Amino acid sequence: KAGVTQTPRYLIKTRGQQVTLSCSPISGHRSVSWYQQTPGQGLQFLFEYFSETQRNKGNFPGRFSGRQFSNSRSEMNVSTLELGDSALYLCASSLEGSGGETQYFGPGTRLLVL
Amino acid sequence: GESVGLHLPTLSVQEGDNSIINCAYSNSASDYFIWYKQESGKGPQFIIDIRSNMDKRQGQRVTVLLNKTVKHLSLQIAATQPGDSAVYFCAEGLNYGQNFVFGPGTRLSVLP
Repeated sequence: KAGVTQTPRYLIKTRGQQVTLSCSPISGHRSVSWYQQTPGQGLQFLFEYFSETQRNKGNFPGRFSGRQFSNSRSEMNVSTLELGDSALYLCASSLEGSGGETQYFGPGTRLLVL
Repeated sequence: GESVGLHLPTLSVQEGDNSIINCAYSNSASDYFIWYKQESGKGPQFIIDIRSNMDKRQGQRVTVLLNKTVKHLSLQIAATQPGDSAVYFCAEGLNYGQNFVFGPGTRLSVLP
């Protein structure tokens, strides 16, 4: 079974631009979570999607948004990019996103904002 | 490779020795805990998990210990190998949700 895949792997943008990142979960997994990883803040939860609905949300500004499609694939969007948005963005999937299930992470998308 | 954290606590162990990585968690209501391993340039990889109704769980070469009284979690790696070199994260969560909170991570360096 293929793991979680994320595209693109690397991305360079300039301040003020917007970016869309894509995540394909493990086949059969319906819950997709997004995380931001930076050296200073570590791993921080952005949001979780299940059945095309945002079910949980972390403490990030409204510039960070996402969506999930009927095939469970998910995208996250960051608008009006800031230098501080430079980070590794990780996607993780699990079966139902309930009761202590294990999340499986993708390799991440490395975003650099100039 | 990509740097996960520039100023992480580092544990250096000799190849073949046992490693113990510690983690203090923050929420006394957390009832599910996971240890992840992250190698340079890769996403976190699941190692082992434990629920709050247990205080010890063993896997292959790894053992997780949970002390709820002092909100402390540890990961023990037996006979540490060069391939164990990575950053290790603990994560805590509530049984009903998926917004895990991650610790800052510990860099394990295995010396030949």
